[in-house]
Amino acid sequence: AQTVTQSQPEMSVQEAETVTLSCTYDTSESDYYLFWYKQPPSRQMILVIRQEAYKQQNATENRFSVNFQKAAKSFSLKISDSQLGDAAMYFCASTQGGSEKLVFGKGTKLTVNP
Amino acid sequence: DAEITQSPRHKITETGRQVTLACHQTWNHNNMFWYRQDLGHGLRLIHYSYGVQDTNKGEVSDGYSVSRSNTEDLPLTLESAASSQTSVYFCASREGQGPYEQYFGPGTRLTVT
Repeated sequence: AQTVTQSQPEMSVQEAETVTLSCTYDTSESDYYLFWYKQPPSRQMILVIRQEAYKQQNATENRFSVNFQKAAKSFSLKISDSQLGDAAMYFCASTQGGSEKLVFGKGTKLTVNP
Repeated sequence: DAEITQSPRHKITETGRQVTLACHQTWNHNNMFWYRQDLGHGLRLIHYSYGVQDTNKGEVSDGYSVSRSNTEDLPLTLESAASSQTSVYFCASREGQGPYEQYFGPGTRLTVT
């Protein structure tokens, strides 16, 4: 079965600093899509960023960027200039080959210290 | 604006009772999903549907059922609620395969006493 692993259950960062959240995945597909979702205390799941596996260029959305290493099956999320509002659970997800389903990691809880 | 809603947002029920959680989306997506979220387990897929009259079991389907009679709704039924089913439940929908975002409802917190 396809798996997504987030090895850091919890992370913390000082406000205005940079933090990187790790994610590795296991797939036999050549074409797939990767996502990072944010879940603040409100519980609402919010898409942060997505990456198409066929694109070598790393996706960027304002202060959020990814480091996509296809050969290593690694998809880390970098948050620059961290803000208090970035405090949340972050979930990494991957498409499952030939399916509309997404496979999620167990999440990383990010704390931002003032 | 299109959206996905869940009701109720909070529910307390007793062991053994039947409970139905509603999910309604106006995205007109064929694909709908139910997850439960528990500490240390992330999001676990309960059931999913790829269209009207289509339902499929996910990784934690025991004790749950779904039905899909139209595109907009995928109600989740707990046949006989158990304390182990105390959780936060999320409904989601997605347009299809590919780079499409999966949209989530706001969640339902269910407590089984």
